[in-house]
Amino acid sequence: AQSVTQLDSHVSVSEGTPVLLRCNYSSSYSPSLFWYVQHPNKGLQLLLKYTSAATLVKGINGFEAEFKKSETSFHLMKPSAHMSDAAEYFCVVSDRRASSGGYQKVTFGTGTKLQVIP
Amino acid sequence: SQTIHQWPATLVQPVGSPLSLECTVEGTSNPNLYWYRQAAGRGLQLLFYSVGIGQISSEVPQNLSASRPQDRQFILSSKKLLLSDSGFYLCACRSRGYNYGYTFGSGTRLTVV
Repeated sequence: AQSVTQLDSHVSVSEGTPVLLRCNYSSSYSPSLFWYVQHPNKGLQLLLKYTSAATLVKGINGFEAEFKKSETSFHLMKPSAHMSDAAEYFCVVSDRRASSGGYQKVTFGTGTKLQVIP
Repeated sequence: SQTIHQWPATLVQPVGSPLSLECTVEGTSNPNLYWYRQAAGRGLQLLFYSVGIGQISSEVPQNLSASRPQDRQFILSSKKLLLSDSGFYLCACRSRGYNYGYTFGSGTRLTVV
């Protein structure tokens, strides 16, 4: 079984303060984990991904995430929020084992809307 | 790198009218292709996926259908739209191999009136 829980549907931070978006997962196999960002009326953009290398993953726009197997978490962080970070963020888990049809099951979280207050 | 072209960007259609959304992929061969829908206030819901030409799997029963007439072309269709079909539709592709993330199109915002 595979699932993703984004613990906060909305997060508000002041510009220049740290950002923490929380994500917990469950997976029957060693998972690949991703964070995507969606700006209003735009498609999803990959921020970063974890695929079993270093547990601290650095992404674009100053974001990073830490894979903690003992806590089954993959929280997204940024030291200092910028106004342009206001968007919706999705945590995604993918089982590494593909089905017999070649399809790797992927589950999206329900998203966290980040508001940045000037 | 993979690029997805998805059109149109916005669409307003009356109830009962047909729908055709098209998605084409560049920069990869034999990708897995996906159609997602994002309804207001909800996460992404997988509608269809395809592992090859003519191979379509549906994740949820619904009013929509999908087709893959060519390796890098994925089409989402409906014969008669319902109000509940309104939402933001995203086409995505993923190259084979678990460590590849998804590439998403820019999306189509569909409003059924």
